[in-house]
Amino acid sequence: GEDVEQSLFLSVREGDSSVINCTYTDSSSTYLYWYKQEPGAGLQLLTYIFSNMDMKQDQRLTVLLNKKDKHLSLRIADTQTGDSAIYFCAGAQYGNKLVFGAGTILRVKS
Amino acid sequence: GAVVSQHPSWVICKSGTSVKIECRSLDFQATTMFWYRQFPKQSLMLMATSNEGSKATYEQGVEKDKFLINHASLTLSTLTVTSAHPEDSSFYICSAPDSVTGYTFGSGTRLTVV
Repeated sequence: GEDVEQSLFLSVREGDSSVINCTYTDSSSTYLYWYKQEPGAGLQLLTYIFSNMDMKQDQRLTVLLNKKDKHLSLRIADTQTGDSAIYFCAGAQYGNKLVFGAGTILRVKS
Repeated sequence: GAVVSQHPSWVICKSGTSVKIECRSLDFQATTMFWYRQFPKQSLMLMATSNEGSKATYEQGVEKDKFLINHASLTLSTLTVTSAHPEDSSFYICSAPDSVTGYTFGSGTRLTVV
């Protein structure tokens, strides 16, 4: 089955770019997601990318997908203190269960 | 867009009582609903998959008699935590496949058993 791994912690200064990395094992995953979770809250869908794409940009967010290496990254430009949260990557074939990584804690220092 | 409404948002119950959590798909039909559990500072782990009109499929290690799942209609799936104990305290969240983004999540239910 799918296994998703991500780095556990990232600390950046306000205004810098943040890059959160994720690797997955199932090459048949067709949907790859990034979610944000603030303390005590539910999941907020940040962005997603289909497996037939290499890159997706949405305002300050850029997702890069390297299918060969099964590597997914999320870049947050001009990181703000409000971006401090836990970021989860997740992958699945459509209609199947989503498998989540352990989450990356992003801390933004002002 | 697709919306899954999950209730309650939080609940506190006494040990030994049962708690029901509901997830409703508001503007689409959810033939499948995934139920996840998240312990503090941990990731989301799939508990079970419910399909409308059939029995739920439970992940290994999840007690089906303790976590009763019902998916009686195309818009409603429920999770009942029976005879709850403090170790069942957790964040429970449902998710349904949708044709727009792939998956829509409910807002989650924080269960505290005292």
